[in-house]
Amino acid sequence: AQKVTQAQTEISVVEKEDVTLDCVYETRDTTYYLFWYKQPPSGELVFLIRRNSFDEQNEISGRYSWNFQKSTSSFNFTITASQVVDSAVYFCALKTSYDKVIFGPGTSLSVIP
Amino acid sequence: DTEVTQTPKHLVMGMTNKKSLKCEQHMGHRAMYWYKQKAKKPPELMFVYSYEKLSINESVPSRFSPECPNSSLLNLHLHALQPEDSALYLCASSRSPKGYHFKGETQYFGPGTRLLVL
Repeated sequence: AQKVTQAQTEISVVEKEDVTLDCVYETRDTTYYLFWYKQPPSGELVFLIRRNSFDEQNEISGRYSWNFQKSTSSFNFTITASQVVDSAVYFCALKTSYDKVIFGPGTSLSVIP
Repeated sequence: DTEVTQTPKHLVMGMTNKKSLKCEQHMGHRAMYWYKQKAKKPPELMFVYSYEKLSINESVPSRFSPECPNSSLLNLHLHALQPEDSALYLCASSRSPKGYHFKGETQYFGPGTRLLVL
């Protein structure tokens, strides 16, 4: 079975705090891909990152960083020095087939000024 | 450029109306998708078109009728919808070159159409 769990339904932080969004996935496939998308109130899903199952290197992009750990089936996302513009729903997603994306339930992040 | 455009942004329709949603991309992508998203839920896949042919229909009711007239355009025709069909409808596309199967293709999403059925 393929599944993505995001245990945090809603998170609130004060601006400039660091915040980590958790993502745990389940799959029996050895080749798979993990994604994070951001959905601001406007509705568009914005692609943030893709990681394949063979690449466990952590990635940093500006204030964003991702920690992929196969041993715990987790792909966590950290925002450093959060800003109000980071307020959005964040979806972690898993892809094991050519067309279908399995989305987690999403984490709603509110950054309070 | 990873832009997918959708029109209209908002749509209100009665249960007897016929309307269409439009999606366009000029990235040369050959796979296009329709998703439905209810409030506080993740997107749910409805249809997939690969090289202008319908490849996946996720048991969507026939009141939703997709159409892919060319490689850049994807339409969703709506007829006799129910109030529970009110949702955000998202279009996405991915590169998917023929003969090159890559599970990791990223799907790029449009801004969506917010549909309200009265």
